[in-house]
Amino acid sequence: EIVLTQSPATLSLSPGDRATLSCRASRSVSAYLAWYQQKPGQSPRLLIYDASNRATGVPARFSGSGSGTDFTLTISSLEPEDFAVYYCHQRQYWPPVTFGQGTRLEIK
Amino acid sequence: EVHLLESGGGLIQPGGSLRLSCAASGLGFSTSVLTWIRQAPGRGLEWVSSFNDNGARTFYADSVKGRFTISRDNSKSTFYLHMDLLRAEDTAVYYCVRSPSGTCLFEDWGQGTLVTVSS
Repeated sequence: EIVLTQSPATLSLSPGDRATLSCRASRSVSAYLAWYQQKPGQSPRLLIYDASNRATGVPARFSGSGSGTDFTLTISSLEPEDFAVYYCHQRQYWPPVTFGQGTRLEIK
Repeated sequence: EVHLLESGGGLIQPGGSLRLSCAASGLGFSTSVLTWIRQAPGRGLEWVSSFNDNGARTFYADSVKGRFTISRDNSKSTFYLHMDLLRAEDTAVYYCVRSPSGTCLFEDWGQGTLVTVSS
C-alpha cells in the first residue's frame, strides 16, 4: 500500500499570500497524483490530476508539480474562498486507493 | 457532467445492516468506475469500495471486506453499498464517486449521506 504524507498539517496564511502544500509518497507513483479541495460541509472537489493538470473550471492560481515521490500544490495568491482542506491521492497503484491525511489551510 | 445523489443513511445499531443508494444522472454511468468513499466526523477521506468500469470486478478496503457489498444496476443508473455487521467505527459520511473509464480519478462526487452507528 502506498502511504501519502502531507505537510504541513495546518498552514496559516493571509489572503494574497502564496501557499505551498506538499505530498510525499512512500514509493514512486510516477505522475499519477491528484489534489482535492474540501470546504466545510461540502464534498471534495478535484483540483489537479496527473500532478500538474488543472481540472475543468479550476482557476489558474492553482498549480501542481512533481513526479515520483514528491509533489507540490501551489496557490499563487490566496483568495478568501481558498481556505479549506486539501488532500492528495495517488492512482498509480490501486486497490487500495490511498489519500494523504490532509492539509488544513486556514486564515492567519 | 454526471450528477450523483446518495440516499439511505441514518442511525443504526451496532451489528445492524443498511443499504446506501447512489442515483446518477448524465452521461457515462455504464462505463464509469464507481466508488464509495467515507469520511468519519472530523477525519480525512477513506476509500471503501469500487467497481471497475465494466462492473466485472469489485474491490474493498480491508476494514470492510466481508461486511460490505457493492452492486450496480446500469438500467437504473444506480449503484449501492450494502453494509452488514455495522460497527461504531463505520460512522461517517459516505460519498459516491464517479471516475472515467479505466481510472480511479475522482471527478464527480455526490453530496454524501451520513451513517451513524450507535446504540
